[in-house]
Amino acid sequence: DTEVTQTPKHLVMGMTNKKSLKCEQHMGHRAMYWYKQKAKKPPELMFVYSYEKLSINESVPSRFSPECPNSSLLNLHLHALQPEDSALYLCASSQGLNSPLHFGNGTRLTVT
Amino acid sequence: AQSVAQPEDQVNVAEGNPLTVKCTYSVSGNPYLFWYVQYPNRGLQFLLKYITGDNLVKGSYGFEAEFNKSQTSFHLKKPSALVSDSALYFCAGPPSGGSYIPTFGRGTSLIVHP
Repeated sequence: DTEVTQTPKHLVMGMTNKKSLKCEQHMGHRAMYWYKQKAKKPPELMFVYSYEKLSINESVPSRFSPECPNSSLLNLHLHALQPEDSALYLCASSQGLNSPLHFGNGTRLTVT
Repeated sequence: AQSVAQPEDQVNVAEGNPLTVKCTYSVSGNPYLFWYVQYPNRGLQFLLKYITGDNLVKGSYGFEAEFNKSQTSFHLKKPSALVSDSALYFCAGPPSGGSYIPTFGRGTSLIVHP
């Protein structure tokens, strides 16, 4: 079991749907991350929040919208996705920006 | 600027034999380096890190890594492989361009045969 909890575990959505991915950690970490991972590939950084402020957006399309309601929660809002957005979406947290990352088990997203 | 490279796409080893998963880095300044493991249908798990200090770093599940400045390497090792060590392994380090967020090598699939 991980200390970073992601819901849902699996999500299938159509290209016109709106859905949200959720991530929660209670380790007191002040940095939180969203990564996208394709099969057998390394995770690709999407967003970084530091002290609840968006500090990095890796030129992610606007159909992905992150939100950090408080220091324990991180959401990723999805709208009008494309089939190529199908992937494993991983949330992570860390104590600081040079500290090891703690990952959740991800949400397996399929866009039909 | 720094990046990491994992030269092997896959490593095969027999159970009980020592294993090595390779990682090299390019650096300007002092590196900080990490190893992560990913089991099927799971997120990545942190194994160990090098920041400064001893060149031999011990981590979780009996893994260790040796930082070698002259060879710019940070290879992951384990004296005796288990079938359950079969997984995808990622080396990570700070990227180029001044960002402080580690980027990952391409990953190495470790297969331990019974």
